[in-house]
Amino acid sequence: KQEVTQIPAALSVPEGENLVLNCSFTDSAIYNLQWFRQDPGKGLTSLLLIQSSQREQTSGRLNASLDKSSGRSTLYIAASQPGDSATYLCAVRPAYSGAGSYQLTFGKGTKLSVIP
Amino acid sequence: NAGVTQTPKFQVLKTGQSMTLQCAQDMNHNSMYWYRQDPGMGLRLIYYSASEGTTDKGEVPNGYNVSRLNKREFSLRLESAAPSQTSVYFCASSERGSSYEQYFGPGTRLTVT
Repeated sequence: KQEVTQIPAALSVPEGENLVLNCSFTDSAIYNLQWFRQDPGKGLTSLLLIQSSQREQTSGRLNASLDKSSGRSTLYIAASQPGDSATYLCAVRPAYSGAGSYQLTFGKGTKLSVIP
Repeated sequence: NAGVTQTPKFQVLKTGQSMTLQCAQDMNHNSMYWYRQDPGMGLRLIYYSASEGTTDKGEVPNGYNVSRLNKREFSLRLESAAPSQTSVYFCASSERGSSYEQYFGPGTRLTVT
C-alpha cells in the first residue's frame, strides 16, 4: 500500500528566505505527483503537477522536483512571503490502470508560517 | 467559470438524520471524487466516478452513497449520520487530457451530534 510522508509537519521561516518542503512515497510506480496548497478553512488549490517522466516543474517562485526511483519530491519556494503561509500537501497517483488507479494518496501536509 | 462548487458550506445534523451533499463542476471533466479530511488522518477518498454513469468505492465508503446525476453533478448521501462522520468533505474533479490533475471545491464542514 502506498504511503506518503511529509516532513516536517510544521515549519516557520522569516520572510525572504528560500525554503524546501519534502515529500516521500514508498511505491515508485506512480503516474504523477501533485502539490497542493490549503489555506485555513478552504479547499485545496493545485500548485504543480509532475508527470512520472519529468524531473521538475516550475511556476513563478515555485519549483517542484521529482526523483521517482528514490521516492522523493521537493517543493522549493523562493523568496518566501507572508502570503505563502498555508499547509502544503503532496499526493501521488498510481501508475496502474483499473480499479484503484483514480485514488490519490495524500501526505498529511507541512504547515508553513512565513514571519514578516 | 466557477470551477467546483459545493453546497452547503456548513451543516449540523443529529445522529440518525440524513442529508445529501451537492457538488457541481463546470470544467467538462469526466471524473469526480468525494473526499473527507480529518485531523491526523489526512484526506481519504470516499467514492469516485470515473465517468458519467459509473461510481466506485474508495478507501472509506461505509455509511455513504453517491449519485452521478449527470456529467456536471456528483452528490454524496449520508443515510443515517453518525458522530464518526463529523468531518470536512471535499469534492474534486479531473480530466484525462490534463493528466488527471485534480481540482477541489471549497468543502462542506459537517458536524454530527
